[in-house]
Amino acid sequence: DQQVKQNSPSLSVQEGRISILNCDYTNSMFDYFLWYKKYPAEGPTFLISISSIKDKNEDGRFTVFLNKSAKHLSLHIVPSQPGDSAVYFCAAAANFGNEKLTFGTGTRLTIIP
Amino acid sequence: DADVTQTPRNRITKTGKRIMLECSQTKGHDRMYWYRQDPGLGLRLIYYSFDVKDINKGEISDGYSVSRQAQAKFSLSLESAIPNQTALYFCATSDPGPSGRFTGELFFGEGSRLTVL
Repeated sequence: DQQVKQNSPSLSVQEGRISILNCDYTNSMFDYFLWYKKYPAEGPTFLISISSIKDKNEDGRFTVFLNKSAKHLSLHIVPSQPGDSAVYFCAAAANFGNEKLTFGTGTRLTIIP
Repeated sequence: DADVTQTPRNRITKTGKRIMLECSQTKGHDRMYWYRQDPGLGLRLIYYSFDVKDINKGEISDGYSVSRQAQAKFSLSLESAIPNQTALYFCATSDPGPSGRFTGELFFGEGSRLTVL
């Protein structure tokens, strides 16, 4: 049972445009969410997080939106750059501080120059 | 040099063989983790350790064991490898920060690709 779902395995976006990556979750106990980015032959790296007490968190070109009623979060990248081409994983935890993260299956983002 | 180093990076072995994947870190973090990545399943937690004397099972610990030899070293063993343990394995560390609680930010190694024939 996949509790964190990324339904789009891949996404292609023109350079300079907005990239929107989506993530849905089913476990209502999740209240802390993160995005990780992974380049080939490297480990994932932390990108941005959001607590359920917020509906938006912004860090430079990256913004994460959380819609608790829909159990949905999205990552917006504006403007998209070629270096953003990577696999993006969303992850969730039940309670901030819980060591056990549940990861989604990932979305491969390709930025077209 | 990488802060979190995994060896070997690639390994092919046969069913029934004992395999050890090693992880060492220079970040000075007390908390270390082993994750497994499979296509279509994302990353899943195998084991995690808060310190040398504190080791905890994750989501999929069956068929695996771990050893925390020192603060900087955390190894994962497959006592008798089977084909469905073919996967990409990641070691990670974390620092709890001022609150003393896990922030969710993991620092991953580059991964160890294991193939069990």
